[in-house]
Amino acid sequence: LAKTTQPISMDSYEGQEVNITCSHNNIATNDYITWYQQFPSQGPRFIIQGYKTKVTNEVASLFIPADRKSSTLSLPRVSLSDTAVYYCLVVQTGANNLFFGTGTRLTVIP
Amino acid sequence: GAVVSQHPSRVICKSGTSVKIECRSLDFQATTMFWYRQFPKQSLMLMATSNEGSKATYEQGVEKDKFLINHASLTLSTLTVTSAHPEDSSFYICSAYKQGLRNTEAFFGQGTRLTVV
Repeated sequence: LAKTTQPISMDSYEGQEVNITCSHNNIATNDYITWYQQFPSQGPRFIIQGYKTKVTNEVASLFIPADRKSSTLSLPRVSLSDTAVYYCLVVQTGANNLFFGTGTRLTVIP
Repeated sequence: GAVVSQHPSRVICKSGTSVKIECRSLDFQATTMFWYRQFPKQSLMLMATSNEGSKATYEQGVEKDKFLINHASLTLSTLTVTSAHPEDSSFYICSAYKQGLRNTEAFFGQGTRLTVV
């Protein structure tokens, strides 16, 4: 299992772009990177997933450099409702069980 | 809308009693479901993998006799916390994978907050 390391917490003002970087130095060839968001007292929610380069959806962008040893989740123009814990996971292709790291607690300030 | 549903969302029970938590996949079949536990301010910890029609697979350190898992159908897995103690108070979350158009995605239930008094 590739271990992930991400900042414990981050603060941001409303309207700013937030970038959360995750390190996964021992990622394997068959692994892909997935990010989840969790609000208090709720189950995690899928945000975005990628293997390499850049992936963008209606919620976020995911940047993955060529060596894939890190990834950056980019949230454009955050609002107060984006205050949550964001988890970076490295998942092996075909694997079903997810192991969560510490996550990054993002607090958006008015 | 919800893809994976958990019930109940909150439960308070007396020490020594048993509590059953249900996890349902709403519009798809799930041969495998997963149970997690989360303590306050901590990350999710995988407890066990629930397999339809067979025994669950427990992670190291999780007591299988205390946390009984039953996956009798393709849409329902249950976690029973037996002889609950205050230290079992936690947030329990289940998940299941659903094949989408672009990828297979894990969906999580809304969680069950168990308080043992």
